[in-house]
Parts: sequence; structure tokens; C-alpha cells
Amino acid sequence: EAGVTQFPSHSVIEKGQTVTLRCDPISGHDNLYWYRRVMGKEIKFLLHFVKESKQDESGMPNNRFLAERTGGTYSTLKVQPAELEDSGVYFCASSPGTEISPLHFGNGTRLTVT
Amino acid sequence: AQSVAQPEDQVNVAEGNPLTVKCTYSVSGNPYLFWYVQYPNRGLQFLLKYITGDNLVKGSYGFEAEFNKSQTSFHLKKPSALVSDSALYFCAVRDLNTGGFKTIFGAGTRLFVKA
Repeated sequence: EAGVTQFPSHSVIEKGQTVTLRCDPISGHDNLYWYRRVMGKEIKFLLHFVKESKQDESGMPNNRFLAERTGGTYSTLKVQPAELEDSGVYFCASSPGTEISPLHFGNGTRLTVT
Repeated sequence: AQSVAQPEDQVNVAEGNPLTVKCTYSVSGNPYLFWYVQYPNRGLQFLLKYITGDNLVKGSYGFEAEFNKSQTSFHLKKPSALVSDSALYFCAVRDLNTGGFKTIFGAGTRLFVKA
């Protein structure tokens, strides 16, 4: 089975620019999550999709972040305009629809805002 | 609110020696606990989980973890460390109170195994 894939693996942008991150979950996984890890800190929850619906977006930092999951398949996370504090590694994870299922992670996108 | 604490930023151990990576948690209700490992430039990989039952759970690569309800701990252990075990380890708890399956992670502990 193909794993969770994220694109790009790295992105370096200037403050004020826009970046879009993409995540393709494991086929058949209804749950899709976005997380972010800033250097040395905990992995922080951003939001959770169930199919195409946002189940929980309590972790989204502010309205510069927009996540979508069209048709319940892949997801995008757009940051517009980017700020310096948005730098970090953005992880996507997916899981089937049970509360005891572990998460399957992508390799992450390392975002650097200069 | 649910939370996870990993009190050690780094753990150093010699190859062949037992290792322990500590984790404590705070939850309301029954805890669903997980350990994940991250190798360089890779995503997190699931190691093991505790849902219910036996307090000692076994997982991948020879790792095991001991659930202790009275101490609210879920320490990761391995009887004999390998150099290849060197990685970043994350403890996590699943939050079932928000209507979804949000997982909350600790800050991670870097394990360094010396040959």
C-alpha cells in the first residue's frame, strides 16, 4: 500500500509570499490531519478532516492558514501571506475511521520563511 | 485538557544496555496512548499503543511500553539497545473529548545509542 505523500519536501519563501502544501493520504483513509513542528517543540495539531469535512480546526493559528480537502481525497494547506513564525515542518497524517487506529505520517514539508 | 510530557530532551545509552524513554500524561477518561519514532528526514512511524488490557504492551523493533495508571506514565523500554535505535521518539495521547480523534504529542526525546 502506498503511504502518505507530501509535496514539496522543502519550501523556502519570503515573508509575505504564498505557499501551498499538498498531502495525499493512504487510499481509503477517511481521517486526514495536519500537524506542525517548530524547531525542538512539540508536534502541534492544526486540523482534522473526516472525508471532505473539517471535524476540528481548533489548532489553526489564524486566518492566514486555509486547508481544503476536495472530494475527500488529497488535501492542501495554504499559507497566505507567510510570516517568519510560520517556519517549521508541516506533517500530514491519515488514519481509518476508528479511535484506536494509529496515524500514518508523511515525511513532512519543511517550510522556511525568510 | 489532555497533555503529554516527555521530561528528557535526550537519552544516552550504550549499545547492548537497556533503555527507557519517559512519558507522563494527563487525560480525562481512559487514556489511549501511543509511541512513535522519527528517523532523520522521515515522518513519524507508529511503534506501539495502549488501549486497554495488559499494562505491558509490545511493539515494533523489540520495543515495549509499560502503562502505569497510578503514576500516569507510559514509559518506552527496550532490553538491549541498538545503534540503529538512535532517533527521535514521541509519546502521544488521543483526545476523545473533542468529537474527533485528535492526537496530542509530547515534545519528543532524542535517543542516542553509542556503539
